[in-house]
Amino acid sequence: DQQVKQNSPSLSVQEGRISILNCDYTNSMFDYFLWYKKYPAEGPTFLISISSIKDKNEDGRFTVFLNKSAKHLSLHIVPSQPGDSAVYFCAATALQNAGNNRKLIWGLGTSLAVNP
Amino acid sequence: DSGVTQTPKHLITATGQRVTLRCSPRSGDLSVYWYQQSLDQGLQFLIQYYNGEERAKGNILERFSAQQFPDLHSELNLSSLELGDSALYFCASSVEGTENSPLHFGNGTRLTVT
Repeated sequence: DQQVKQNSPSLSVQEGRISILNCDYTNSMFDYFLWYKKYPAEGPTFLISISSIKDKNEDGRFTVFLNKSAKHLSLHIVPSQPGDSAVYFCAATALQNAGNNRKLIWGLGTSLAVNP
Repeated sequence: DSGVTQTPKHLITATGQRVTLRCSPRSGDLSVYWYQQSLDQGLQFLIQYYNGEERAKGNILERFSAQQFPDLHSELNLSSLELGDSALYFCASSVEGTENSPLHFGNGTRLTVT
């Protein structure tokens, strides 16, 4: 059962336009969400995160929006640049019962292509 | 450069064999995580160590084991290998023992079982 879903395997955007990557989750216990970016032959790199007490977090060209009632979050990249072409992973976590332990649940990723 | 080093980069071996993957975390990071990425499975959490002790277990098979040494490097041992174990294995590290602190990933070890 995929608790974190990225329903679009790929997305193509023109340089300078907005890229919107979507992520849906099913577990209402998730209280912290992260986006990672992955280039080929490299490991994922942390991009931006958001706590469930917020509905928006912004860092430069990257903004993450969280809609708890819809169990949906999105990553906006404005303006998109060719160097943003990568696979973007959404991940979510919930506080586990014992020992303040947390486990990240990952989506399958969306491959973004930004065309010059 | 994330500061996390994984060796080897590529590994090709036969079914039934045993391999060891190695990870050196970022300087100062006490937590090490192991992930498996198969073609259609996304990133699957295997196991986490914090300062030498096992902290959390995910979908790790009994044929797999890991440890974190006093110098904080970690090894993932995969035994009785099957074709389905072919995947990218990522190591990640973080400062704290909880996953709210961002993970820093190595570039992975690509394991091919023939």
